[in-house]
Amino acid sequence: GESVGLHLPTLSVQEGDNSIINCAYSNSASDYFIWYKQESGKGPQFIIDIRSNMDKRQGQRVTVLLNKTVKHLSLQIAATQPGDSAVYFCAEKYSGGGADGLTFGKGTHLIIQP
Amino acid sequence: KAGVTQTPRYLIKTRGQQVTLSCSPISGHRSVSWYQQTPGQGLQFLFEYFSETQRNKGNFPGRFSGRQFSNSRSEMNVSTLELGDSALYLCASSPTRVGSPLHFGNGTRLTVT
Repeated sequence: GESVGLHLPTLSVQEGDNSIINCAYSNSASDYFIWYKQESGKGPQFIIDIRSNMDKRQGQRVTVLLNKTVKHLSLQIAATQPGDSAVYFCAEKYSGGGADGLTFGKGTHLIIQP
Repeated sequence: KAGVTQTPRYLIKTRGQQVTLSCSPISGHRSVSWYQQTPGQGLQFLFEYFSETQRNKGNFPGRFSGRQFSNSRSEMNVSTLELGDSALYLCASSPTRVGSPLHFGNGTRLTVT
């Protein structure tokens, strides 16, 4: 089946810098996208979502960008803090038809350098 | 509002046994989904329940089953355990079936020896 992937398994950034985590998806029919953060020993935590009728959505210190032309999704974290250290997953879903579960990417481990 | 609660947090079983995992969704959430997380395969969809009915099922063998009760609580059962079933099993709930994010519990870590 089709799957969502991330470009980098690990991303290291300096504290205070902005982080950009990328994700490529392959199912052009997907119409709902979510970013999750998973800390060690915990389940994935919802960060932000975006529907396919939008190309940008902002939250608190986070921005998600969706480029449907190249099937690319990114998560921008402003002023990265030590608490942002975690594995970040993008996930996609097609809401129509059988409405299967979310398809997750492999994850990017964000490491914050002091 | 309390989050998704999964019990137990850890389980150790031997091959051939069966196991039942429990999930209490966020109050008011009617959709419950189950996912398996392993280092090799990542997060994979198992099944989704809504209004006590299984709505969708992922690509897992019939040894994996579940159910949902009238109060939206859900259980997942794995029979005839295999070593490869060792994983973190995550339950997630959402208020609707589509268009709203899943909220995950902290999972049950199952180890099969």
